[in-house]
Formats: sequence, C-alpha cells, structure tokens
Amino acid sequence: EPEVTQTPSHQVTQMGQEVILRCVPISNHLYFYWYRQILGQKVEFLVSFYNNEISEKSEIFDDQFSVERPDGSNFTLKIRSTKLEDSAMYFCASSEGWGGETQYFGPGTRLLVL
Amino acid sequence: QKEVEQNSGPLSVPEGAIASLNCTYSDRGSQSFFWYRQYSGKSPELIMSIYSNGDKEDGRFTAQLNKASQYVSLLIRDSQPSDSATYLCAVRFVSGGSQGNLIFGKGTKLSVKP
Repeated sequence: EPEVTQTPSHQVTQMGQEVILRCVPISNHLYFYWYRQILGQKVEFLVSFYNNEISEKSEIFDDQFSVERPDGSNFTLKIRSTKLEDSAMYFCASSEGWGGETQYFGPGTRLLVL
Repeated sequence: QKEVEQNSGPLSVPEGAIASLNCTYSDRGSQSFFWYRQYSGKSPELIMSIYSNGDKEDGRFTAQLNKASQYVSLLIRDSQPSDSATYLCAVRFVSGGSQGNLIFGKGTKLSVKP
C-alpha cells in the first residue's frame, strides 16, 4: 500500500541553525501539507501546497519557514533559523484531491532544537 | 477562530465494551470530518471519514455526524486493548479564506482494560 515517507526520523540541531525536513508524498497525490505537533499538544496546520505554490498557510508559518518541491517526488520544509520553540514532531501529509479528500500522514520527523 | 473540541480523557473501558468518543466544532461551514488514531510518538492514522449527516459504519467503528448540533462522534464496538490510543477528531473547514486544511482537536485518550 502506498505511503508517505519522511526523512530523517529524528533531527537534533542547535538554535539558529537551518534544518530541512524531507517528505515523499504518495505518488499520484497532488496536494501536500505540513503539520506540526508540539509534545502534548494538538496537531497544527502549517502550510498546504499545490501546483508548485503555497495554497494556504497558517500564522505559524512565518518568514522562517519555506516549502519546496525540488523534483517530481520530494517535498521539503525548511526552517531557516531554528528556535527552541520549533521543537516538535513535523508531519507531512498528502491527498489525491481537494475539498474533503482524505489526507494521509507520514511517520513524522521529531525535531529537537537545543 | 475555528475550534474543534474533544474531551481529553482518559476514557477507560473494559475489553469488549463500546467506547464512545465525542467531538464538537465551531464553524457551520465545515464540510468534512475525520477520525484519526494516534499511538504515542506516532503519526495520525485515518480510521474514518464522514461527510453527511447520519451514521457510517466500517467494521467495529461507527462515525455519527449531526451538522445541526455541530457534533461528530466515533463508536468503537467490542473494544480491544490494541484500540488503546489517542483519537483525534479533525474537521475540514472550507469557507471564507480557508481552502480546506484540517483543524484538529486535542484528542481523547482511550484505554481499553483487558
């Protein structure tokens, strides 16, 4: 069964460093998303992406964040200058269509900023 | 502010019993409703989606939607210890400026006792 994959599974970085989280969405899916979950808190929407551009972003997704689809398979989230409060689990998701289509989540990347 | 509310639990039921999980949402423009299961440290895993009023059954799971009351529930029949997890209610709001990202509740922690 096709699934969303994410790398790395864990990332430890120093405050102020740049990190890139990688995702490979399900191959026939057209819509891609990033969510994050701070430990003990709810899953929060960050950004959605379609047709090589951002469709929607939340207040969390400020200028420190960017997304890219560098090739036909990968979808990346970059945090330019990490802060302690960026420590969280980051989930990539994809869906085949819009308007109610189910989003399938990857296993997540646990980011720890020291 | 779009909100999805769930009782955080923990909800404890004996093995074989029916577990009932509830969720309310704030925006009448909501169109799609999802239940995800999340084991500790893992990503959300889709259990069911529901789009119209009434009941939807899938194996031991039944989702119930009442749009007039802005209420969605999940019943788990014949609960098993392996059902012990946090159950996330997610709502897709498609109204105004939102194009349909998922808004999650904080989740209800279910514990099924052998």
